[in-house]
Amino acid sequence: AQSVTQPDIHITVSEGASLELRCNYSYGATPYLFWYVQSPGQGLQLLLKYFSGDTLVQGIKGFEAEFKRSQSSFNLRKPSVHWSDAAEYFCAVEGAGGGNKLTFGTGTQLKVEL
Amino acid sequence: IAGITQAPTSQILAAGRRMTLRCTQDMRHNAMYWYRQDLGLGLRLIHYSNTAGTTGKGEVPDGYSVSRANTDDFPLTLASAVPSQTSVYFCASSASGNSPLHFGNGTRLTVT
Repeated sequence: AQSVTQPDIHITVSEGASLELRCNYSYGATPYLFWYVQSPGQGLQLLLKYFSGDTLVQGIKGFEAEFKRSQSSFNLRKPSVHWSDAAEYFCAVEGAGGGNKLTFGTGTQLKVEL
Repeated sequence: IAGITQAPTSQILAAGRRMTLRCTQDMRHNAMYWYRQDLGLGLRLIHYSNTAGTTGKGEVPDGYSVSRANTDDFPLTLASAVPSQTSVYFCASSASGNSPLHFGNGTRLTVT
């Protein structure tokens, strides 16, 4: 069965600093990978996804993620964080059989210091 | 505004009671999903439906049932609620497999 690990429960960065959120996955075949963001009291919003092709994926709000098969990783990055980026971030992998049955990580809570 | 509507927003429920969480989407998406979100566990799939008239079990289906009588509605029923079902429940939809998931704003359920 597939699984996702987000090793950092909480991360604090200063506004304007760079950001990297870690995600490691376990899946037997080529994975479909996703990053979602959740603001307080809201549902999740898709930031970006990787299906195939270029391993560096661009998303919304200035985020990008790089798929590294050798490291089983799909880390999320942003060169300069804004205060509005404070939220919870979830990495997810699509399970066997496709059909959008995602397995989510436990999330990383991002705090941005002004 | 197109999207997913979940009701109620929050609910406190006595153990043993029956409860139906409602989910309606107006995007004509084929697939719909129910997730529960618990602290430290992320989101876990309860049930899903790839198209109207079909449903399937997710990772944590026990104690829950769903139906998909039409494209727009995907209610989740707790036949006899237990405290371990205290959670935030999210409904989601997608146009098809591999399409992005669109999430509702969630229902916060407390079972006492």
